[in-house]
Amino acid sequence: GAVVSQHPSWVICKSGTSVKIECRSLDFQATTMFWYRQFPKQSLMLMATSNEGSKATYEQGVEKDKFLINHASLTLSTLTVTSAHPEDSSFYICSARVPSGVGNTEAFFGQGTRLTVV
Amino acid sequence: GENVEQHPSTLSVQEGDSAVIKCTYSDSASNYFPWYKQELGKRPQLIIDIRSNVGEKKDQRIAVTLNKTAKHFSLHITETQPEDSAVYFCAASLYNQGGKLIFGQGTELSVKP
Repeated sequence: GAVVSQHPSWVICKSGTSVKIECRSLDFQATTMFWYRQFPKQSLMLMATSNEGSKATYEQGVEKDKFLINHASLTLSTLTVTSAHPEDSSFYICSARVPSGVGNTEAFFGQGTRLTVV
Repeated sequence: GENVEQHPSTLSVQEGDSAVIKCTYSDSASNYFPWYKQELGKRPQLIIDIRSNVGEKKDQRIAVTLNKTAKHFSLHITETQPEDSAVYFCAASLYNQGGKLIFGQGTELSVKP
C-alpha cells in the first residue's frame, strides 16, 4: 500500500516553545491530508483538513492560531504546535488518501508523533 | 456533522470465541465505513472496510455488515486468537470529503488464551 511518513516519532519540548511535525506522502501526491489527535485511551479526533495551496479547515473547537498547518507541496503537510502547554501532550497522527476517481479508498496513516510538553 | 458511536468500550472473550463490535452513525450521506486495529503507540491499521452499496463483506475470520436504513455497521471476528487483542475503531466517511474520517470511541478487545 501507499506510504505516509511522519517525523519525528516522538518529541519532548518545554512549555511555551513550538514544535513542528511533518507528514509526507512518499509514493503518491496528496492534495488533502488530515491531522488527528489522540489522548491516552481515547479515540482519534480530527483536528483539521490540510489543503495543498490553500488554508486548512479546522474542526470546531480547534484553535487555528495554536495549531498551524501548512501544506506547501503535494507531498508534505506540517503541523506546528505553538506555545505548547502540558495539556497539548498527545499522540498526533496524520493521514492521506490515494486519489481515486472511484470513490473512497483506504486512508493511510503516518506512524504518529508522541508529543510531551514539560 | 457526522457522529459515530461505538459499543462496547471493552470486550473480553476466550480464545476461539467470536467477538462483535457495533457502531452507529448519524449522517445518512456517509458511504464508506472502515475498521481499524490499533496497537499501543502504533498507527491504526485497516483491517476491513465496506462501502454503502454493499451489505456484507468478509475476509477470512473478519466480516463487516452494514445496515444503511438503521445506520449501523458491525465488525465480527470469529475464532479469536490472543494476537487479535488490541483496540478496534470504526469510522465513517463521506465520498466528497477526500478521506476525512470520523472515528468511534474504540473497543479494547482482550482475547484470553
